[in-house]
Amino acid sequence: AQSVTQLDSQVPVFEEAPVELRCNYSSSVSVYLFWYVQYPNQGLQLLLKYLSGSTLVKGINGFEAEFNKSQTSFHLRKPSVHISDTAEYFCAVSEGNTDKLIFGTGTRLQVFP
Amino acid sequence: GAGVSQSPSNKVTEKGKDVELRCDPISGHTALYWYRQSLGQGLEFLIYFQGNSAPDKSGLPSDRFSAERTGGSVSTLTIQRTQQEDSAVYLCASSFGGSPGDTIYFGEGSWLTVV
Repeated sequence: AQSVTQLDSQVPVFEEAPVELRCNYSSSVSVYLFWYVQYPNQGLQLLLKYLSGSTLVKGINGFEAEFNKSQTSFHLRKPSVHISDTAEYFCAVSEGNTDKLIFGTGTRLQVFP
Repeated sequence: GAGVSQSPSNKVTEKGKDVELRCDPISGHTALYWYRQSLGQGLEFLIYFQGNSAPDKSGLPSDRFSAERTGGSVSTLTIQRTQQEDSAVYLCASSFGGSPGDTIYFGEGSWLTVV
């Protein structure tokens, strides 16, 4: 069965600094990979997803992620964060034959002024 | 509606009581999901409906939990004889359901507190 590991439960960072949120997955078949964001007191919304093609995926709000098949990783990056990026970020995987998403435990990004 | 709608947004119930949580998916979406979000636990898959197919119930934690989807649209998640460990945010989501990798859209959740 597939699973998702987000090693960092919390990532504190100062405003305008770069950030990387790590995500590793395990699956024996081809996968689709997703990052969702949950702002305080709001529902989850899609940041970006990888289905096929270019391994570098760009999403909303200046975020991007790179699919690395050999390392089974899909780390999320932003070159310069803003206070408004403070939120919980969830990595998720679905296997190629199903829409069902399996989520990681989330990483709380806290941006300080 | 424009998005996935869930009700109630907040529910406080006494241990042992039954609760029903409702989800109205985005119009036209054939796939519907229920997830549970507990503090420090991430999002836990509960159940998945796709069109007229038999639902995937593999994530339901016990037989106290059940869900149905009437007419291929609205869904109700029922928790019988609630326990304190059932306290969580219950999230409903929907997608077109036609292709793997479809974007899944989430509602804002129903916060359940069992006292």
